[in-house]
Amino acid sequence: EAQVTQNPRYLITVTGKKLTVTCSQNMNHEYMSWYRQDPGLGLRQIYYSMNVEVTDKGDVPEGYKVSRKEKRNFPLILESPSPNQTSLYFCASSSKGTSNEKLFFGSGTQLSVL
Amino acid sequence: QQPVQSPQAVILREGEDAVINCSSSKALYSVHWYRQKHGEAPVFLMILLKGGEQKGHDKISASFNEKKQQSSLYLTASQLSYSGTYFCGSSDTGRRALTFGSGTRLQVQP
Repeated sequence: EAQVTQNPRYLITVTGKKLTVTCSQNMNHEYMSWYRQDPGLGLRQIYYSMNVEVTDKGDVPEGYKVSRKEKRNFPLILESPSPNQTSLYFCASSSKGTSNEKLFFGSGTQLSVL
Repeated sequence: QQPVQSPQAVILREGEDAVINCSSSKALYSVHWYRQKHGEAPVFLMILLKGGEQKGHDKISASFNEKKQQSSLYLTASQLSYSGTYFCGSSDTGRRALTFGSGTRLQVQP
């Protein structure tokens, strides 16, 4: 089954403790992206990747890192999480990243930073 | 810059119609529409490309007016299953990412 898999589904952590949220897709998609969703603000893009070893900042990249060493994986790294990074995070992918392709979303990761 | 969606929220009775608007300050290349149920991932509804096309499936359709830099989503004879938050995503080029609006919460009541 074609899917985007995120882990974990829920995560509670404390300020400053490094964490990684994993994202994997099995559709051989070139394009992958991370979004955060906050009430009233919709989905805001954090980082995206057009292909292996190619990443770029989205609209709200501060405090986040990503890497794209393999085509299928696109982990999101919070090196020193802060409470304002408490949010619902979604990973998404599409075939080439052109704007006429639909995005496939993962099931989300609810992160709470205390 | 995020596209602007209106209304922010709407409550309907089953069988009623609704229109959700999405407008941008930039020229648009494409507009996407997604629906998200509470606690779930957004699910793709449709894409509209510049050219003023109108698309639809079942009782949900959408139009795209590139001159006005806006798109509208039409839900006719709404069903309970239509409840959720609707997001438009827009792009001003053929490449790169979508920028999403803040969403429209739709609630269909029996």
